[in-house]
Amino acid sequence: QVQLQESGPGLVKPSETLSLTCTVSGGSFSIYYWSWIRQPAGKGLEWIGRINRSGSTSYNPSLKSRVTVSIDTSKNQFSLKLTSVTAADTAVYYCAREVGAPSTSTIDPWGQGSLVTVSS
Amino acid sequence: QSALTQPASVSGSPGQSITISCTGTSSDVGRYNLVSWYQQHPGKAPKIMIYEDNKRPSGVSNRFTGSKSGNTASLTVSGLQAEDEADYYCCSHATGTTFVVFGGGTKLTVL
Repeated sequence: QVQLQESGPGLVKPSETLSLTCTVSGGSFSIYYWSWIRQPAGKGLEWIGRINRSGSTSYNPSLKSRVTVSIDTSKNQFSLKLTSVTAADTAVYYCAREVGAPSTSTIDPWGQGSLVTVSS
Repeated sequence: QSALTQPASVSGSPGQSITISCTGTSSDVGRYNLVSWYQQHPGKAPKIMIYEDNKRPSGVSNRFTGSKSGNTASLTVSGLQAEDEADYYCCSHATGTTFVVFGGGTKLTVL
């Protein structure tokens, strides 16, 4: 059974870069798309972007100028970088698998989530 | 503002049925058979309940049913149980540069 686990700093200073890594275990890494999704406290879900094993990426236009998603197939990991963060980027960040991508909305499973707070 | 529109809250008594709507456009909900629904309990990650409009993943109770008409998708929960109390999000594939869009979420309260 596929499991995902986010890791990275829980506190980032304003204007700096948020970096998170997701480690995938227990299943095939190569045939799916892998996504980042975030959720501010008390608010809804926001899709950030995705990547596949070939490094093909897609991003939410509202974040595209600040987001980079990368992949390391040798480690079964993919990563998120979000530059020039502000308090508005404070959220729980989830990594997840997209099934049937690029034309899909089937996201399963999800990681447990990683709270990132932007504060000085 | 979310791309898909859901009611902020719905409620029902144990044993009753409720329906949550999710309204999009002809560029997302109405264009593809690719609407999914997620259940999220407080402090937990979302869990998929319905995919491709009306398919249930293995292990999801058949009390959860997905449907769609035009640009509006719906999630019906029948035989409400206390454990169904959670937030529910719809999600759709979309054309253009935004590939996945979510609804704003609906809080289901079991009275």
